[in-house]
Amino acid sequence: GQQLNQSPQSMFIQEGEDVSMNCTSSSIFNTWLWYKQDPGEGPVLLIALYKAGELTSNGRLTAQFGITRKDSFLNISASIPSDVGIYFCAGYASGTYKYIFGTGTRLKVLA
Amino acid sequence: ETGVTQTPRHLVMGMTNKKSLKCEQHLGHNAMYWYKQSAKKPLELMFVYSLEERVENNSVPSRFSPECPNSSHLFLHLHTLQPEDSALYLCASSQGPGINEQFFGPGTRLTVL
Repeated sequence: GQQLNQSPQSMFIQEGEDVSMNCTSSSIFNTWLWYKQDPGEGPVLLIALYKAGELTSNGRLTAQFGITRKDSFLNISASIPSDVGIYFCAGYASGTYKYIFGTGTRLKVLA
Repeated sequence: ETGVTQTPRHLVMGMTNKKSLKCEQHLGHNAMYWYKQSAKKPLELMFVYSLEERVENNSVPSRFSPECPNSSHLFLHLHTLQPEDSALYLCASSQGPGINEQFFGPGTRLTVL
């Protein structure tokens, strides 16, 4: 089925570094969502984006809805150990009831 | 706590058993979803209910049977499963058209022996 290209697949960073990840699609979406998932838990919604070009922050997290509506990125500034986990993007096209998910970015933070 | 609860959190069953997964959302949402999450694969949408009506059925085998008795509750009935059905089963809910934020429950870790 349809899926989003999410990169990088995994990354190891030092505590205090900034992190950037992105998702791209061949389809246009009306909404982009970013989630974080810890082991054995469900994904937790971090940021929702509704307009092309929109830039939204949630604490140390910043996400942007690409101008073409086919991509989005997530930045984490000054990473801390509890940022460890898998980050997923999801795109939603109105009227479809379908959320298309990326393959995830596994983040590991070295103290 | 996302407002979506799932029980049980862990389930081990044999291939001949019948069991059910339960999901409840306390957010007043109109749409509910079942997803399957297997290792190293993207989330797979299984079923979608909007206002208790099934609106999406993603070619899921008939050994998985959903039920949505009201807009707050969603069940997934399981029977004669296969070992490859072992996965994390996630329930989610969303408000509906125009408000597209989707919230997930903690999941049920299912192991089929």
